[in-house]
Amino acid sequence: AQSVTQPDIHITVSEGASLELRCNYSYGATPYLFWYVQSPGQGLQLLLKYFSGDTLVQGIKGFEAEFKRSQSSFNLRKPSVHWSDAAEYFCAVVGRNNNDMRFGAGTRLTVKP
Amino acid sequence: KAGVTQTPRYLIKTRGQQVTLSCSPISGHRSVSWYQQTPGQGLQFLFEYFSETQRNKGNFPGRFSGRQFSNSRSEMNVSTLELGDSALYLCASSLAGDSNTGELFFGEGSRLTVL
Repeated sequence: AQSVTQPDIHITVSEGASLELRCNYSYGATPYLFWYVQSPGQGLQLLLKYFSGDTLVQGIKGFEAEFKRSQSSFNLRKPSVHWSDAAEYFCAVVGRNNNDMRFGAGTRLTVKP
Repeated sequence: KAGVTQTPRYLIKTRGQQVTLSCSPISGHRSVSWYQQTPGQGLQFLFEYFSETQRNKGNFPGRFSGRQFSNSRSEMNVSTLELGDSALYLCASSLAGDSNTGELFFGEGSRLTVL
């Protein structure tokens, strides 16, 4: 069955510290992979996506993610977190031949001053 | 290019009533998907429409329905509302077809409160 796991429900980091949010997926074949961010009361904004090719992808707001096929992972990273990064982050997968996107449970990021 | 527009943004209903939510996709996008977001269940897929046809359906009761019009605009309807239907309902559009990359573009959602 297709599934996305984000093991960390809530993460707190200090402003300026590095960040890594974990995502593991279970899928029959390599799907398309995404990270979205959601601020309170808002819709989801795409941070970055992986379709094929280079396994390290760059996104907006200084985020990057690395696809590791052997680990079925797509972890999101940022070298230095800003207070404005506080939000909820969702990892998502969709098959290459369908439009049924599945989301992880989300990781809520709190940034300490 | 205008983004995905959802109306209304907020609404309050009572149990037993029905509600209709509207979604206008990005111009040129032919696929519209609906998601329900709650604190307990997270983001759950409701259904997806393409060219006025429902292509995919999540695991929701028949009280949840939708449709898509020829201009790709979509509506979803929830009948006989229950307290547990209180949620943020998100609409997302995508190109679909041969240009499909699976990427979804989300609206800001319709916040439904059932009293």
